[in-house]
Amino acid sequence: DAGVTQSPTHLIKTRGQHVTLRCSPISGHKSVSWYQQVLGQGPQFIFQYYEKEERGRGNFPDRFSARQFPNYSSELNVNALLLGDSALYLCASSFTSSGVGETQYFGPGTRLLVL
Amino acid sequence: KQEVTQIPAALSVPEGENLVLNCSFTDSAIYNLQWFRQDPGKGLTSLLLIQSSQREQTSGRLNASLDKSSGRSTLYIAASQPGDSATYLCAVREYGGATNKLIFGTGTLLAVQP
Repeated sequence: DAGVTQSPTHLIKTRGQHVTLRCSPISGHKSVSWYQQVLGQGPQFIFQYYEKEERGRGNFPDRFSARQFPNYSSELNVNALLLGDSALYLCASSFTSSGVGETQYFGPGTRLLVL
Repeated sequence: KQEVTQIPAALSVPEGENLVLNCSFTDSAIYNLQWFRQDPGKGLTSLLLIQSSQREQTSGRLNASLDKSSGRSTLYIAASQPGDSATYLCAVREYGGATNKLIFGTGTLLAVQP
């Protein structure tokens, strides 16, 4: 079985632009979460979606939005990019919404550089 | 507010040595703790998941322990190899809330010298 996949792997944008990142969870997993990892830090929670509904949002501005599709894949959108948005964006999938008692599996990430 | 701390921030050891990585958390109300490995510029690979009711988990040369009451976890790596060089992250899943949000430490960068 394929693991969590993300696209693109790398992306370079300029300030003020918009970006869309994509994630496909492990087959059978219905929950997708997004994390931002700035260099030298641990990942920070951005969103969780389960069964196409937003289940949680971290402390990120409204420029960040996401959605989940009927096949459980997900998109993360960031508007009006700032230099500080440069980071590795990670997607994680799990079967349940709560994550209690189960491992969460992460994708390889999308490296975003904002110039 | 839950805070997760990992000490040391970086560690260099010779090949073959046994080593311990530390993770501490401020609020003991957790469902589980997960250890991950991250290679430079890459995603996270899950190593071990310890439920709050468990004391330890083992996988090959790795052993993770959990002392929830004291807010501590350790990852023991036996007979280290150069291929173990990576950043190791711990993360906790807190009680409550409708999400499966993980709270991460900042990681320990491990270098195993051949």
